[in-house]
Amino acid sequence: ELKVEQNPLFLSMQEGKNYTIYCNYSTTSDRLYWYRQDPGKSLESLFVLLSNGAVKQEGRLMASLDTKARLSTLHITAAVHDLSATYFCAATVAGGTSYGKLTFGQGTILTVHP
Amino acid sequence: KAGVTQTPRYLIKTRGQQVTLSCSPISGHRSVSWYQQTPGQGLQFLFEYFSETQRNKGNFPGRFSGRQFSNSRSEMNVSTLELGDSALYLCASSWAGMDTEAFFGQGTRLTVV
Repeated sequence: ELKVEQNPLFLSMQEGKNYTIYCNYSTTSDRLYWYRQDPGKSLESLFVLLSNGAVKQEGRLMASLDTKARLSTLHITAAVHDLSATYFCAATVAGGTSYGKLTFGQGTILTVHP
Repeated sequence: KAGVTQTPRYLIKTRGQQVTLSCSPISGHRSVSWYQQTPGQGLQFLFEYFSETQRNKGNFPGRFSGRQFSNSRSEMNVSTLELGDSALYLCASSWAGMDTEAFFGQGTRLTVV
């Protein structure tokens, strides 16, 4: 059974600082996704990582995937208050039989303060 | 392009009642998945429908059921509601459901009293 674990679960950052959220998964996975959720809101898709070594960047966020280590990272550069949210990683079981099932990590609650 | 639409947004029900939630996927998307989000259990997969067929199911009791219509709209039904069913129910639509990017609706906040 695929398990996804994130750390840290809580992250308090100062504006302007850099930090990384880690996402480990337990079995071979085809895809790794990162989502953002604001309080009381839905999930916003940030990145879809499709292959080993994939790196994607959008603004102050950069995501990468190492399938050999079963690890994805979400790096935050020069944090700003608007990045405060909960970030989830999610994975699907390899082999194309996951049929719409995303297995989510616990989420990382990010708070950026002055 | 319209996003994923879930109705209603908020719902309050009494224990023992049943409830039906609706999800309209993005136009052209044929896969709809449902998730339950609670503070204790996080995001958990309920089931997925594609072309009116349930292809995948999570570990939820039989009180949770769903269906999909020919226009890809999906409904989820929970019978004999329990207090523990209080949650945010999210649906996600994707083109094919098999490892394609999923887009989530705003969710339905169900409170069981």
